[in-house]
Amino acid sequence: GAVVSQHPSRVICKSGTSVKIECRSLDFQATTMFWYRQFPKQSLMLMATSNEGSKATYEQGVEKDKFLINHASLTLSTLTVTSAHPEDSSFYICSANREGEASPLHFGNGTRLTVT
Amino acid sequence: GQNIDQPTEMTATEGAIVQINCTYQTSGFNGLFWYQQHAGEAPTFLSYNVLDGLEEKGRFSSFLSRSKGYSYLLLKELQMKDSASYLCAAMDSNYQLIWGAGTKLIIKP
Repeated sequence: GAVVSQHPSRVICKSGTSVKIECRSLDFQATTMFWYRQFPKQSLMLMATSNEGSKATYEQGVEKDKFLINHASLTLSTLTVTSAHPEDSSFYICSANREGEASPLHFGNGTRLTVT
Repeated sequence: GQNIDQPTEMTATEGAIVQINCTYQTSGFNGLFWYQQHAGEAPTFLSYNVLDGLEEKGRFSSFLSRSKGYSYLLLKELQMKDSASYLCAAMDSNYQLIWGAGTKLIIKP
């Protein structure tokens, strides 16, 4: 169990446009989901914690107005990269686990964003 | 502060054994995770330790010493497909994961 689906897997967009990435927990309810960004040859960097029914909690240095997170239901969180710039090109990964448990964090397959 | 340390890169030979070490410092502790990440892919869960000792799962084993803040991942009978990055992550008292930078493992024939 604990499958997380992320869509799209790859997206190319032009500078100034917005891109939405979806993250779904398929076989469990996730009141909390996590969004990570990973640059080449670097480790995962937590961007924000997405909370169902409330505002996301952003890590220091992450612009909340640029990276909009909406956790509309217990199984869906979305990350929208607004007014994308080439420096936003990265690998974005969502994850979730059964809240309040020391259970493995299960990851979506990631989204490779390229901004031209 | 909270911190995870693991080697940046290791090289091993196909068929051999390799041990990847990880030391951690966290506010509280709810377990130590190991993940495998192939280039361009998301991490996949390998193991979880919360009690001291060795957990064996096929060719992979993971060890934990809570008193030393130390863990290792042991890979036996290495195969070329084991070439990947191995991420160590410790869960703190708030169930938040603190990630290491990952160890890139290169397997040579």
